[in-house]
Amino acid sequence: EAGVTQFPSHSVIEKGQTVTLRCDPISGHDNLYWYRRVMGKEIKFLLHFVKESKQDESGMPNNRFLAERTGGTYSTLKVQPAELEDSGVYFCASSQVAGNTGELFFGEGSRLTVL
Amino acid sequence: KQEVTQIPAALSVPEGENLVLNCSFTDSAIYNLQWFRQDPGKGLTSLLLIQSSQREQTSGRLNASLDKSSGRSTLYIAASQPGDSATYLCAVPSRGGGADGLTFGKGTHLIIQP
Repeated sequence: EAGVTQFPSHSVIEKGQTVTLRCDPISGHDNLYWYRRVMGKEIKFLLHFVKESKQDESGMPNNRFLAERTGGTYSTLKVQPAELEDSGVYFCASSQVAGNTGELFFGEGSRLTVL
Repeated sequence: KQEVTQIPAALSVPEGENLVLNCSFTDSAIYNLQWFRQDPGKGLTSLLLIQSSQREQTSGRLNASLDKSSGRSTLYIAASQPGDSATYLCAVPSRGGGADGLTFGKGTHLIIQP
């Protein structure tokens, strides 16, 4: 069974450009989460989807970040326009809803470097 | 607001030693607590998940304990091996529910010397 997959693994862009990160959760997992780790800081929660609905987006830094999950399958996180402080590793995680124990499965992350 | 602290920030020990990693959290009304492992450049791997009603969980050489009332958890690693070298992260749901986003500690960077 495939795990959580993220694309791209690494992206280098210039300030002001746009980047879109993609996450494919484990098949059948309706919970999908985005997290971010900036250098030297702890991993921070960004938002939570249940199927295609945003359950909690309290961690989104500002309106330059837009997350979507059309159809309730894969999700995208777009940063537009990117700023230097957006550099970091963006992790996606998923879990099942039915019989949820709270255990999360993480992808390997997308490293974003904004120059 | 939930805050998670992990001590020590870094630890280097010779192979074969038993060791303890510590995690504390400010709001004891947690649904569960998870310990993760992260290897350099990789994602997070769930090691142990302790529900709020449990006091400990074991998996192989790993044992995690939970004391909700005091806001503490420990991860015990027995007979450490070089392959255990990684960053260990502790996390709890931010708002108490099992499906809520997690609040993470900064992690303990562990090095096991051969």
